[in-house]
Amino acid sequence: DTGVSQNPRHKITKRGQNVTFRCDPISEHNRLYWYRQTLGQGPEFLTYFQNEAQLEKSRLLSDRFSAERPKGSFSTLEIQRTEQGDSAMYLCASSSTHYQETQYFGPGTRLLVL
Amino acid sequence: AQKVTQAQTEISVVEKEDVTLDCVYETRDTTYYLFWYKQPPSGELVFLIRRNSFDEQNEISGRYSWNFQKSTSSFNFTITASQVVDSAVYFCALSVQNSGNTPLVFGKGTRLSVIA
Repeated sequence: DTGVSQNPRHKITKRGQNVTFRCDPISEHNRLYWYRQTLGQGPEFLTYFQNEAQLEKSRLLSDRFSAERPKGSFSTLEIQRTEQGDSAMYLCASSSTHYQETQYFGPGTRLLVL
Repeated sequence: AQKVTQAQTEISVVEKEDVTLDCVYETRDTTYYLFWYKQPPSGELVFLIRRNSFDEQNEISGRYSWNFQKSTSSFNFTITASQVVDSAVYFCALSVQNSGNTPLVFGKGTRLSVIA
């Protein structure tokens, strides 16, 4: 399987706990994006990387959220001190930087904060 | 700022009917890209099509066709002879060209139910 993979697929946690999600992009893609999708809404952009550099962060990305992409390969998204409002699907996508690139999405990690 | 509007929240059709999903976008940029993605119940977003702002040719791929009209800022998607497997949420999205594509701005999606 050469698509984008995400782990875990589901996560249930208690309010106040920290959680970390992982995304492995398509191997030749140097751009990686994180989005969040709540019920009945379209995905909303959180942040993206080109190689290991984090190029942009959305206002949605509060101080409790941090993302990394060491060595420009996989990426992690950590949420500290989770709140019930963090419950959502977290989607990862990757793309190349070639002209007219397309973002390809992983299956997502569904987070439920109790 | 960019914005995508999908006014149809839910559509229900009987199998073999044709259905059109509407998408209206807003941007001040002259170079931009429009996309359609399908999200089946499994949750993964599946890429369907990409269109750039300089190419207004309509496109057909099997039962799918897309109508891009810059004059009305619309990028509508038609499924001909719908099938039960077409049941999903469909998202229209926009990105603009700023030294490489920027992150996608999505509409809220249209949930399509095809009834056998």
